Amino acid sequence: EAQVTQNPRYLITVTGKKLTVTCSQNMNHEYMSWYRQDPGLGLRQIYYSMNVEVTDKGDVPEGYKVSRKEKRNFPLILESPSPNQTSLYFCASRRTGNEQYFGPGTRLTVT
Amino acid sequence: EDQVTQSPEALRLQEGESSSLNCSYTVSGLRGLFWYRQDPGKGPEFLFTLYSAGEEKEKERLKATLTKKESFLHITAPKPEDSATYLCAVQAPGNQFYFGTGTSLTVIP
Repeated sequence: EAQVTQNPRYLITVTGKKLTVTCSQNMNHEYMSWYRQDPGLGLRQIYYSMNVEVTDKGDVPEGYKVSRKEKRNFPLILESPSPNQTSLYFCASRRTGNEQYFGPGTRLTVT
Repeated sequence: EDQVTQSPEALRLQEGESSSLNCSYTVSGLRGLFWYRQDPGKGPEFLFTLYSAGEEKEKERLKATLTKKESFLHITAPKPEDSATYLCAVQAPGNQFYFGTGTSLTVIP
């Protein structure tokens, strides 16, 4: 089954404790992205990747890091999480020019 | 500044009562306009892609249209299972995507 998976699905952590949210796709897509979704603000792109070792900033990259060492994986790293990064996070992948497939989401709470 | 605005924020319809959702956008060099459906607790699910003014796409009770500055999602004779949040997104040059805040649709039996 073609899918995008994210782990963990739910995470509660404390300010400053480094964390990684994993994302994996099994569709051999070149493009992958991370978004955060907040009430009243919609989905906002954090980072995207055009292929292995090629990444670029989206609209709200501050406080986040990404890496793309393998085509199927695109982890999101929060080196020092803060409460304003409490949000619902989605990973997505797509082929060139086509629609995005989204993962199920990761609900992150930073206290 | 690239921007996507959706209206209305929320819409309640009786089953069978047709209506339209609006998505207006300002983006230089539009590479595509996308409609997604999002159910509570889930990731967005792709519905349509439109690339140029005048283009139309249909799927069951949904029809999407595109002009130079806005897109409409027409819902004909909706059913309760059409209840969801509908998101509009545009792709700008450089692989960036901008989403609207969505229209929450409730269809009452």
